[in-house]
Amino acid sequence: DAKTTQPPSMDCAEGRAANLPCNHSTISGNEYVYWYRQIHSQGPQYIIHGLKNNETNEMASLIITEDRKSSTLILPHATLRDTAVYYCIVRVAYWYAGNMLTFGGGTRLMVKP
Amino acid sequence: DADVTQTPRNRITKTGKRIMLECSQTKGHDRMYWYRQDPGLGLRLIYYSFDVKDINKGEISDGYSVSRQAQAKFSLSLESAIPNQTALYFCATSGKRSRADTQYFGPGTRLTVL
Repeated sequence: DAKTTQPPSMDCAEGRAANLPCNHSTISGNEYVYWYRQIHSQGPQYIIHGLKNNETNEMASLIITEDRKSSTLILPHATLRDTAVYYCIVRVAYWYAGNMLTFGGGTRLMVKP
Repeated sequence: DADVTQTPRNRITKTGKRIMLECSQTKGHDRMYWYRQDPGLGLRLIYYSFDVKDINKGEISDGYSVSRQAQAKFSLSLESAIPNQTALYFCATSGKRSRADTQYFGPGTRLTVL
């Protein structure tokens, strides 16, 4: 069963904020929300992660709802180089053999001029 | 300069040949991973290593072997390549002291087995 649900695709105008939603209604208390992205055939790139509080870094902001059942990744000023598939992943924040980094379908974000 | 590098970036080979894919990292991480990605599918873990003396099989290790020559180097070998091993291969690293086991990926190797 998928732990996360994301829309398959979204468009965004260049220079505008891109808001990518993710539902994770079965998230456990010790599971983090991670976001990665993959630009066509390149290696996945870590963006941000969070547990409960909203997080911001130089790439993006992560807004997690109070009940933690959903989150939104925000790219504040999308550029054409942000066109990629964005993956929302829920997992505990330590390694064990079953805690693999599982990439589901993701959201294909197309930033348009 | 990239923190995680992979060589070669592209390789075409024939069935039955031995192939080695190499990964190097300058992030100082002790954990390294090999994944493969097939069109339309997610990443699948082949092998992982937590330090030089620690090698573990992932979910699809059959047909592959690995070598951790040093903390910074992790090689993946296909002893006798077969066409269904045609895929994108990614190396990744993470730090033991990372608060959240964040993994950093290399640029990938596109392998084609004819």
